[in-house]
Amino acid sequence: EDKVVQSPLSLVVHEGDTVTLNCSYEVTNFRSLLWYKQEKKAPTFLFMLTSSGIEKKSGRLSSILDKKELFSILNITATQTGDSAVYLCAVGKFSSNTGKLIFGQGTTLQVKP
Amino acid sequence: DTAVSQTPKYLVTQMGNDKSIKCEQNLGHDTMYWYKQDSKKFLKIMFSYNNKELIINETVPNRFSPKSPDKAHLNLHINSLELGDSAVYFCASSLRDRGSVGEQYFGPGTRLTVT
Repeated sequence: EDKVVQSPLSLVVHEGDTVTLNCSYEVTNFRSLLWYKQEKKAPTFLFMLTSSGIEKKSGRLSSILDKKELFSILNITATQTGDSAVYLCAVGKFSSNTGKLIFGQGTTLQVKP
Repeated sequence: DTAVSQTPKYLVTQMGNDKSIKCEQNLGHDTMYWYKQDSKKFLKIMFSYNNKELIINETVPNRFSPKSPDKAHLNLHINSLELGDSAVYFCASSLRDRGSVGEQYFGPGTRLTVT
């Protein structure tokens, strides 16, 4: 059965800290790994990774994928209170000629002032 | 200029009732999805439609019936609501790419509470 596991489940840090969120997966017909940020409402897209070892970066956020060890990390440097959210990892797989996302259970990040 | 919209945002109803949630996207996407997010924040796909054709139907009770009148709309009808149906339901859309699985855009969610 396909599995996407995120760790830690929750994290509390102070502003300015650096955090690393983990996502490991066991998914057949892997096509991509995506990170989303969910505040109070809809998940919003952060990154999509398809190749191993190539870092994607956006401001203070960066992410990398290891397809050999089947995991990805999301780094946030110099955290701010606005980074407080649930971070969702999703793996895109192909099945029956169509793609779908398998989500992990999320990491809840709280950044204290 | 909302990209993916859902109505209603909140829905409180009693067990046994029938209810519908509507979703519309103006992104020109050809594929739409329904997800259920439970109290533990676990987001799980329920259905997917591509150009009005059902392409993903996960193990969902047949009390749930999706309908896509056109590729910009995907509605979800739920019969005989049960307590366990309480959750947030998200609609999403994307462009179908046979080679990869890319970014999906999510609506704001509908919080369904069954009492």
